[in-house]
Amino acid sequence: GAGVSQSPRYKVAKRGQDVALRCDPISGHVSLFWYQQALGQGPEFLTYFQNEAQLDKSGLPSDRFFAERPEGSVSTLKIQRTQQEDSAVYLCASQALAGTFSYEQYFGPGTRLTVT
Amino acid sequence: SQKIEQNSEALNIQEGKTATLTCNYTNYSPAYLQWYRQDPGRGPVFLLLIRENEKEKRKERLKVTFDTTLKQSLFHITASQPADSATYLCALPPRGAGSYQLTFGKGTKLSVIP
Repeated sequence: GAGVSQSPRYKVAKRGQDVALRCDPISGHVSLFWYQQALGQGPEFLTYFQNEAQLDKSGLPSDRFFAERPEGSVSTLKIQRTQQEDSAVYLCASQALAGTFSYEQYFGPGTRLTVT
Repeated sequence: SQKIEQNSEALNIQEGKTATLTCNYTNYSPAYLQWYRQDPGRGPVFLLLIRENEKEKRKERLKVTFDTTLKQSLFHITASQPADSATYLCALPPRGAGSYQLTFGKGTKLSVIP
Protein backbone atom coordinates (compact mmCIF):
# COMPACT_ATOMS: atom_id res chain seq x y z
CA GLY A 1 0.00 0.00 0.00
CA ALA A 2 1.11 3.55 -0.60
CA GLY A 3 2.54 5.30 2.40
CA VAL A 4 3.90 8.82 2.68
CA SER A 5 6.55 9.55 0.10
CA GLN A 6 9.10 12.36 0.03
CA SER A 7 11.44 13.62 -2.65
CA PRO A 8 14.25 14.04 -3.07
CA ARG A 9 15.62 11.65 -0.45
CA TYR A 10 18.92 13.52 -0.38
CA LYS A 11 19.70 17.10 -1.30
CA VAL A 12 23.02 18.91 -1.23
CA ALA A 13 22.78 22.67 -1.56
CA LYS A 14 25.39 25.37 -1.54
CA ARG A 15 24.88 28.05 1.06
CA GLY A 16 22.56 30.69 -0.33
CA GLN A 17 20.69 28.40 -2.72
CA ASP A 18 16.94 27.85 -2.55
CA VAL A 19 15.57 24.32 -2.11
CA ALA A 20 12.13 22.74 -2.45
CA LEU A 21 11.19 19.53 -0.67
CA ARG A 22 8.10 17.58 -1.69
CA CYS A 23 5.72 15.44 0.34
CA ASP A 24 3.02 13.10 -1.01
CA PRO A 25 0.78 12.14 1.93
CA ILE A 26 -1.44 9.09 2.21
CA SER A 27 -4.44 9.57 -0.06
CA GLY A 28 -7.39 11.02 1.82
CA HIS A 29 -5.43 12.14 4.87
CA VAL A 30 -6.60 15.57 5.87
CA SER A 31 -3.77 16.63 8.16
CA LEU A 32 -0.16 17.09 7.11
CA PHE A 33 2.83 18.01 9.26
CA TRP A 34 6.43 18.99 8.58
CA TYR A 35 9.13 18.25 11.15
CA GLN A 36 12.86 18.93 11.24
CA GLN A 37 15.17 16.34 12.79
CA ALA A 38 18.76 17.17 13.66
CA LEU A 39 21.27 14.38 14.18
CA GLY A 40 20.72 12.62 17.49
CA GLN A 41 17.54 14.57 18.25
CA GLY A 42 13.84 13.88 18.04
CA PRO A 43 11.75 15.48 15.29
CA GLU A 44 10.78 19.11 15.92
CA PHE A 45 7.51 20.53 14.65
CA LEU A 46 7.65 23.09 11.84
CA THR A 47 4.15 23.54 10.43
CA TYR A 48 0.69 21.93 10.14
CA PHE A 49 -1.95 21.87 7.40
CA GLN A 50 -5.55 20.80 7.53
CA ASN A 51 -6.51 20.30 3.90
CA GLU A 52 -5.07 23.36 2.12
CA ALA A 53 -5.20 25.62 5.19
CA GLN A 54 -1.97 26.19 7.07
CA LEU A 55 -3.28 26.27 10.64
CA ASP A 56 0.00 26.48 12.51
CA LYS A 57 3.40 27.67 11.33
CA SER A 58 4.79 28.50 14.74
CA GLY A 59 7.70 26.08 14.39
CA LEU A 60 9.18 27.57 11.23
CA PRO A 61 12.59 28.87 12.35
CA SER A 62 12.72 31.94 10.11
CA ASP A 63 10.96 33.69 7.27
CA ARG A 64 13.27 31.84 4.90
CA PHE A 65 11.06 28.79 5.44
CA PHE A 66 7.79 28.58 3.57
CA ALA A 67 5.32 25.70 3.16
CA GLU A 68 2.28 25.24 0.99
CA ARG A 69 -0.37 22.65 0.20
CA PRO A 70 -2.45 24.36 -2.47
CA GLU A 71 -4.86 21.53 -3.33
CA GLY A 72 -4.97 19.83 0.02
CA SER A 73 -2.81 16.88 -0.97
CA VAL A 74 0.85 17.31 -2.02
CA SER A 75 2.86 19.73 0.07
CA THR A 76 6.11 21.56 -0.59
CA LEU A 77 8.50 22.96 1.99
CA LYS A 78 10.70 25.67 0.53
CA ILE A 79 13.83 27.04 2.14
CA GLN A 80 15.27 30.20 0.68
CA ARG A 81 18.91 31.27 0.93
CA THR A 82 19.91 28.08 2.74
CA GLN A 83 22.31 28.30 5.67
CA GLN A 84 24.50 25.60 7.20
CA GLU A 85 22.25 25.41 10.26
CA ASP A 86 19.43 24.28 7.94
CA SER A 87 21.23 20.94 7.46
CA ALA A 88 18.91 18.29 8.89
CA VAL A 89 16.41 15.62 7.92
CA TYR A 90 13.02 17.06 7.00
CA LEU A 91 10.17 14.70 7.77
CA CYS A 92 6.62 14.88 6.49
CA ALA A 93 3.77 13.13 8.29
CA SER A 94 0.09 12.72 7.47
CA GLN A 95 -2.85 11.93 9.69
CA ALA A 96 -6.41 10.86 9.07
CA LEU A 97 -9.19 13.29 9.92
CA ALA A 98 -9.01 13.94 13.66
CA GLY A 99 -12.70 13.32 14.06
CA THR A 100 -12.04 9.62 13.70
CA PHE A 101 -10.04 9.86 16.95
CA SER A 102 -7.06 8.37 15.23
CA TYR A 103 -4.13 10.42 16.35
CA GLU A 104 -1.30 8.37 14.95
CA GLN A 105 0.89 10.07 12.40
CA TYR A 106 2.34 8.32 9.37
CA PHE A 107 5.80 9.51 8.48
CA GLY A 108 7.65 9.56 5.21
CA PRO A 109 11.32 8.53 4.96
CA GLY A 110 12.50 12.12 5.11
CA THR A 111 14.72 14.32 2.97
CA ARG A 112 18.28 14.69 4.21
CA LEU A 113 19.41 18.23 3.42
CA THR A 114 23.10 19.07 3.57
CA VAL A 115 24.13 22.70 3.11
CA THR A 116 27.79 23.17 2.21
CA SER B 1 6.35 24.57 26.61
CA GLN B 2 6.50 20.87 27.24
CA LYS B 3 9.89 19.30 27.98
CA ILE B 4 10.35 15.59 27.51
CA GLU B 5 13.19 13.51 28.90
CA GLN B 6 13.87 9.96 27.82
CA ASN B 7 15.93 8.10 30.37
CA SER B 8 19.03 7.38 28.42
CA GLU B 9 20.43 7.94 25.00
CA ALA B 10 21.40 4.28 24.66
CA LEU B 11 20.31 1.04 26.28
CA ASN B 12 21.96 -2.34 25.70
CA ILE B 13 20.20 -5.52 26.77
CA GLN B 14 20.58 -9.23 26.23
CA GLU B 15 18.24 -11.04 23.86
CA GLY B 16 15.25 -12.51 25.67
CA LYS B 17 15.27 -9.92 28.48
CA THR B 18 12.72 -7.17 29.00
CA ALA B 19 13.71 -3.69 27.87
CA THR B 20 12.24 -0.79 29.85
CA LEU B 21 12.40 2.74 28.46
CA THR B 22 11.33 5.82 30.40
CA CYS B 23 9.68 9.03 29.24
CA ASN B 24 9.26 11.92 31.69
CA TYR B 25 7.54 15.20 30.93
CA THR B 26 7.70 18.36 32.96
CA ASN B 27 4.74 20.56 32.21
CA TYR B 28 1.04 19.89 31.71
CA SER B 29 -0.32 16.37 31.52
CA PRO B 30 -1.31 15.58 27.94
CA ALA B 31 -4.56 13.98 26.83
CA TYR B 32 -2.54 11.09 25.41
CA LEU B 33 1.02 9.96 24.82
CA GLN B 34 2.48 8.07 21.88
CA TRP B 35 5.50 5.86 21.29
CA TYR B 36 7.24 5.58 17.93
CA ARG B 37 10.06 3.44 16.59
CA GLN B 38 12.68 4.89 14.25
CA ASP B 39 15.23 2.89 12.28
CA PRO B 40 18.30 4.56 10.72
CA GLY B 41 17.47 6.45 7.54
CA ARG B 42 13.73 6.06 8.02
CA GLY B 43 10.86 8.05 9.43
CA PRO B 44 9.29 7.20 12.80
CA VAL B 45 6.68 4.43 12.86
CA PHE B 46 3.75 4.58 15.27
CA LEU B 47 3.63 1.82 17.89
CA LEU B 48 1.18 2.64 20.66
CA LEU B 49 -1.02 5.41 22.01
CA ILE B 50 -2.15 5.58 25.64
CA ARG B 51 -4.75 8.05 26.89
CA GLU B 52 -4.64 9.95 30.19
CA ASN B 53 -7.41 7.80 31.69
CA GLU B 54 -5.63 4.54 30.81
CA LYS B 55 -3.05 3.06 33.15
CA GLU B 56 -1.70 0.44 30.80
CA LYS B 57 -1.87 -0.60 27.14
CA ARG B 58 -0.54 -3.76 25.52
CA LYS B 59 0.19 -4.84 21.97
CA GLU B 60 1.86 -8.19 21.43
CA ARG B 61 5.24 -7.96 23.24
CA LEU B 62 4.86 -4.24 23.92
CA LYS B 63 3.43 -2.67 27.05
CA VAL B 64 3.05 1.02 27.87
CA THR B 65 2.09 2.57 31.20
CA PHE B 66 1.08 6.15 31.90
CA ASP B 67 1.29 7.74 35.35
CA THR B 68 -0.01 11.31 35.28
CA THR B 69 0.93 11.83 38.93
CA LEU B 70 4.57 11.01 38.27
CA LYS B 71 4.36 12.59 34.79
CA GLN B 72 5.93 9.47 33.39
CA SER B 73 5.38 6.75 30.82
CA LEU B 74 7.21 3.44 30.76
CA PHE B 75 7.62 1.42 27.58
CA HIS B 76 8.41 -2.27 27.90
CA ILE B 77 9.46 -4.79 25.27
CA THR B 78 9.30 -8.33 26.62
CA ALA B 79 11.31 -11.26 25.22
CA SER B 80 13.42 -8.78 23.28
CA GLN B 81 14.93 -9.76 19.94
CA PRO B 82 17.80 -8.29 17.90
CA ALA B 83 15.15 -7.05 15.42
CA ASP B 84 13.85 -4.77 18.19
CA SER B 85 17.09 -2.76 17.99
CA ALA B 86 16.10 0.79 17.01
CA THR B 87 15.55 4.25 18.47
CA TYR B 88 12.30 4.63 20.41
CA LEU B 89 10.68 8.03 20.64
CA CYS B 90 8.12 9.29 23.12
CA ALA B 91 5.74 11.98 21.78
CA LEU B 92 3.09 14.23 23.33
CA PRO B 93 0.48 16.56 21.83
CA PRO B 94 0.22 20.20 22.89
CA ARG B 95 -2.24 21.40 25.49
CA GLY B 96 -5.81 21.88 24.36
CA ALA B 97 -8.07 20.48 21.71
CA GLY B 98 -7.63 21.07 18.02
CA SER B 99 -3.87 20.83 17.94
CA TYR B 100 -2.30 17.63 16.77
CA GLN B 101 1.37 18.31 16.23
CA LEU B 102 3.66 16.29 18.48
CA THR B 103 6.55 17.20 20.73
CA PHE B 104 9.13 14.42 20.67
CA GLY B 105 11.78 13.34 23.12
CA LYS B 106 15.34 12.78 21.91
CA GLY B 107 14.77 9.06 21.83
CA THR B 108 16.46 6.06 23.38
CA LYS B 109 18.62 3.89 21.13
CA LEU B 110 17.99 0.28 22.08
CA SER B 111 20.47 -2.43 21.14
CA VAL B 112 19.46 -6.04 21.74
CA ILE B 113 22.54 -8.23 21.89
CA PRO B 114 22.20 -11.85 20.67
